[in-house]
Amino acid sequence: DADVTQTPRNRITKTGKRIMLECSQTKGHDRMYWYRQDPGLGLRLIYYSFDVKDINKGEISDGYSVSRQAQAKFSLSLESAIPNQTALYFCATQGTPQETQYFGPGTRLLVL
Amino acid sequence: GESVGLHLPTLSVQEGDNSIINCAYSNSASDYFIWYKQESGKGPQFIIDIRSNMDKRQGQRVTVLLNKTVKHLSLQIAATQPGDSAVYFCAENIVPSGSARQLTFGSGTQLTVLP
Repeated sequence: DADVTQTPRNRITKTGKRIMLECSQTKGHDRMYWYRQDPGLGLRLIYYSFDVKDINKGEISDGYSVSRQAQAKFSLSLESAIPNQTALYFCATQGTPQETQYFGPGTRLLVL
Repeated sequence: GESVGLHLPTLSVQEGDNSIINCAYSNSASDYFIWYKQESGKGPQFIIDIRSNMDKRQGQRVTVLLNKTVKHLSLQIAATQPGDSAVYFCAENIVPSGSARQLTFGSGTQLTVLP
């Protein structure tokens, strides 16, 4: 079974709709991250959390919000989706700052 | 702009040859670097990492070289196989001023292995 899972894997929504992307992990890591990836670009950090009570904005947090419901769960919400939020979204976990990050399989989002 | 960048967006190699993927970084305070492989439709997968107190690290068929003088990182893949075809990202672990560590990624190099 995958250590980091994301749901849904694919989503099509309309402009103005609120949607939530979910991430779960079984690695027991405190640190969790949300990234987006656009064609031809690298990953860009949206939000990150170092424990259940800690939430931090990343490079491109505008238009997004997150919730850390438990150590194992970190959700990303688009309050009012817009077409330029069409992208591939990845969740990642990390044990300590000196370790690598482990990525989920991604959620492909299309905003019409 | 990106503080981590790749010299070539695409690289084609013959099966069995060695591959070298390069990466430049700009933050001299970065002390931890990672190479990821991303296959089509999948999330990034960790390949190998290196800390700034090392110049070279070897894994299974892969070697990472770090040149701190010119802020350059490379990934070498020996005896490249068709399954190595993917996009390869380098990432540096930096400490933004007054904040905790963050990974910054380059845009990636597409490696294509030719039969």
